[in-house]
Amino acid sequence: DGGITQSPKYLFRKEGQNVTLSCEQNLNHDAMYWYRQDPGQGLRLIYYSQIVNDFQKGDIAEGYSVSREKKESFPLTVTSAQKNPTAFYLCASSRIPWDRVGANVLTFGAGSRLTVL
Amino acid sequence: EDQVTQSPEALRLQEGESSSLNCSYTVSGLRGLFWYRQDPGKGPEFLFTLYSAGEEKEKERLKATLTKKESFLHITAPKPEDSATYLCAVQIPLPNTGNQFYFGTGTSLTVIP
Repeated sequence: DGGITQSPKYLFRKEGQNVTLSCEQNLNHDAMYWYRQDPGQGLRLIYYSQIVNDFQKGDIAEGYSVSREKKESFPLTVTSAQKNPTAFYLCASSRIPWDRVGANVLTFGAGSRLTVL
Repeated sequence: EDQVTQSPEALRLQEGESSSLNCSYTVSGLRGLFWYRQDPGKGPEFLFTLYSAGEEKEKERLKATLTKKESFLHITAPKPEDSATYLCAVQIPLPNTGNQFYFGTGTSLTVIP
């Protein structure tokens, strides 16, 4: 079955450490996204990518980095510069073109919960 | 400023007690409004997409409607398995970068047997 796989499901980080969250999809979707979810707040966009080797910052990109070396993969690194990284992180993907109405249902992974010790 | 507001934040219903969830939005150039269901500790699952005022979509006990300023998710005769957080998202165009999605904070629904 096609879908999005995120790993690890739970991750603990010590202060000053960088950690990388994995996101792999087999849906043949061009666009991939990373969102952060905190209690009482809507999903907030961290980064997104429309094609391989290209990505754009979302609303809260500071302290995060991404890469898109393969269409199927979009890993997120939470760096030590991120001051409050404890959150639930969601990876998603969608088809393109975005300029056509009806193309853009997001398919989400199961999420990764990061806790800073 | 583009905004998406969901109400109520939490809703407790007896099994069989119908109700509605609200999603109001103030955005420019709405391309689509989406409803998702999210179970605790899991990623959101797609329910409906609505594109224009007056449109309605149905799936089992759920019915989504759209006006120019808000959307409703009607739940008819809910069952305990309908308990989840329901998220609303709007899709708007951005110059040169495609589209953006803005999410509401969700309504946590609990259906009591």
